[in-house]
Amino acid sequence: AQTVTQSQPEMSVQEAETVTLSCTYDTSESNYYLFWYKQPPSRQMILVIRQEAYKQQNATENRFSVNFQKAAKSFSLKISDSQLGDTAMYFCAFAAGGTSYGKLTFGQGTILTVHP
Amino acid sequence: DVKVTQSSRYLVKRTGEKVFLECVQDMDHENMFWYRQDPGLGLRLIYFSYDVKMKEKGDIPEGYSVSREKKERFSLILESASTNQTSMYLCASSFLRGATQDTQYFGPGTRLTVL
Repeated sequence: AQTVTQSQPEMSVQEAETVTLSCTYDTSESNYYLFWYKQPPSRQMILVIRQEAYKQQNATENRFSVNFQKAAKSFSLKISDSQLGDTAMYFCAFAAGGTSYGKLTFGQGTILTVHP
Repeated sequence: DVKVTQSSRYLVKRTGEKVFLECVQDMDHENMFWYRQDPGLGLRLIYFSYDVKMKEKGDIPEGYSVSREKKERFSLILESASTNQTSMYLCASSFLRGATQDTQYFGPGTRLTVL
C-alpha cells in the first residue's frame, strides 16, 4: 500500500513571491505517477502538474514546477510569482502504474493563502 | 471542456436513511471514482468503476455501495446513513481504462450531513 504525507497543513505567501509545498510518499512500486491537484475555495479540484517516476527531468507548467527526488521519495511543488488566484488547498497524489486504473492516493492537503 | 456534475451541493439526511449521490460526466470517460474528503485526512477512495456494471472497492468501502448502469452515470449509495458518514463526497472521472497517468476530472462535491 502507498502512503502520501503532506506535513504542512497551512502556508502563506505574499503576492509575487515564491513558495514551496512539501510532499513525501512511500511505495514499493517502481512504476508510478505523482500529481499535484488544486482545490480553490468553493470550486472544483483541478490538476496542476504531473510527474512520471521514470523521468528524471522535473515537470514544469508555467509558474508551477516540481522537485522530484526519487531516492528520497520526495515531491515538492514550487509556485513562482504567486498570484491571488493561487489561494487554494493543494493535494499531492500518487498513482501506481500497471493495472491500477489510475486510482489516486492523496495526502492530507496544504491550505495555501496568497496575501496581497 | 469536461464536465462532471453531482446531483446536490448540500444534503441533510437522518440516521438510517438510504442516501443516493449521483454523478454524471459528459465526455465518454471509462473510469469513474467516488472519494470522501475529510479535514486532516485528504481524499480517500471509496469505490471506482472502469466500465459499465463493473466496480471495484477502494480503501474505505464499508457502509457504501455503487451502481453504474450507464457509462456516464455513477451512483454512490449509503444503505443506512450514519453520523460518521457526514463528509464531503467528490466524484471524478478519467478517460482511458488502465491509463494511470490520465487526469482525473472532479465534480463540485456534495456536502452530506447525517443527523
